Amino acid sequence: GAGVSQTPSNKVTEKGKYVELRCDPISGHTALYWYRQSLGQGPEFLIYFQGTGAADDSGLPNDRFFAVRPEGSVSTLKIQRTERGDSAVYLCASSLTRDTDTQYFGPGTRLTVL
Amino acid sequence: GEDVEQSLFLSVREGDSSVINCTYTDSSSTYLYWYKQEPGAGLQLLTYIFSNMDMKQDQRLTVLLNKKDKHLSLRIADTQTGDSAIYFCALLRSNTGKLIFGQGTTLQVKP
Repeated sequence: GAGVSQTPSNKVTEKGKYVELRCDPISGHTALYWYRQSLGQGPEFLIYFQGTGAADDSGLPNDRFFAVRPEGSVSTLKIQRTERGDSAVYLCASSLTRDTDTQYFGPGTRLTVL
Repeated sequence: GEDVEQSLFLSVREGDSSVINCTYTDSSSTYLYWYKQEPGAGLQLLTYIFSNMDMKQDQRLTVLLNKKDKHLSLRIADTQTGDSAIYFCALLRSNTGKLIFGQGTTLQVKP
């Protein structure tokens, strides 16, 4: 079956611009996660959705970052007033139902802020 | 703290065994995972172990967990060039959906 998909695969933007990153989870998975991976590092947790609601957004670095999942399936990570330090690979994962279920990752979106 | 530490680099010859190590500080983790990342790709789940287990074997992969020493290892038997990648250990923090990752170990397999 289809895995987690993310679009775009690459995004180049200028400092100060707004970007949206999209994640399509595995069909039927109710839990969805966003992580950020900087060069040479392991992924860092950003936010976790259970259905439509954010169950844990403690990893969002500041109020420029926001994520939504209005229908409990597709999620969008939104970054306002991008900064060069936001450059990273943004990974999305989904799991079947609960936070203890195995997380399956998408290929990521590489964001470059010039 | 939620530190997860891994050595950064391991080089082995094709056919040898590889052992990738991970130490952690949070003893409340319920599940511990190993993921593989190839260049430009996402994370591929390799295997996982419950915190109440000491060992798990899955084909060429053996996971050992020493809870007393907070040490997790991944052994790859008969390592192949296709095993060259970055390997991440990750701990699931109990009662959250949060995976805490190490910084990754780059495995280089020489023919």
